[in-house]
Amino acid sequence: EIVLTQSPGTLSLSPGDRATLSCRASQSVNSNYLSWYQQKPGQAPRLLMYVASLRATGTPDRFSGSGSGTDFTLTISRLEPEDFAVYYCQQYGSSPETFGQGTKVEIK
Amino acid sequence: QVQLQESGPGLVKPSETLSLTCTVSGFSVSNDFYWGWIRQSPRKGLEWIASIYHTGATSYNPSLKGRVTMSIDTSTNQFSLNLRSVTAADTAVYFCARVDVVVVVGAGHFDYWGQGALVTVSS
Repeated sequence: EIVLTQSPGTLSLSPGDRATLSCRASQSVNSNYLSWYQQKPGQAPRLLMYVASLRATGTPDRFSGSGSGTDFTLTISRLEPEDFAVYYCQQYGSSPETFGQGTKVEIK
Repeated sequence: QVQLQESGPGLVKPSETLSLTCTVSGFSVSNDFYWGWIRQSPRKGLEWIASIYHTGATSYNPSLKGRVTMSIDTSTNQFSLNLRSVTAADTAVYFCARVDVVVVVGAGHFDYWGQGALVTVSS
């Protein structure tokens, strides 16, 4: 199965800052079938991006995804207070679907 | 609006079977999507368990070594999970979700989620 490694583990930033989150796969992700989720405490993950760069319904345009092959990035252009959360990547280019271990974006 | 809600016992004894049901509202499980279970624990993070289509076609995570069975009931708009021979390692929050599957791959992303149900395995 494909192992996803996210970095950094924690990102300490201020509102208005730019956030860059990385997701690296142990092997190439078929057709860039990679998604990103946001999870807040006590809530289910929420789909933000799919096929690496497509925004899910309701995802603000300050979120953008990029990458291909084994290296993917989620960028938040200007952090809003509601963006402080944990972010997970997930690949579905091959079965079984697998998730990264998460990056926590915390207020500095 | 698609909504999912998990239900089932919050406490299961070791070696017994964990059983959960997901009730879907606002969308028919007979439509062209898969339905799945994902769990989350501090030890293993997020882990896909299984998915099912309204025809009954299923896909299971090999890591669960044949302990898992999913079923679907289109008349009640529900789907279910059975996980046999549980141990403490199966303690987790269990989420049900709608799966947008890439058919040629047999895997997908999860676009709608239930709120999650904590299941503890303990005697």
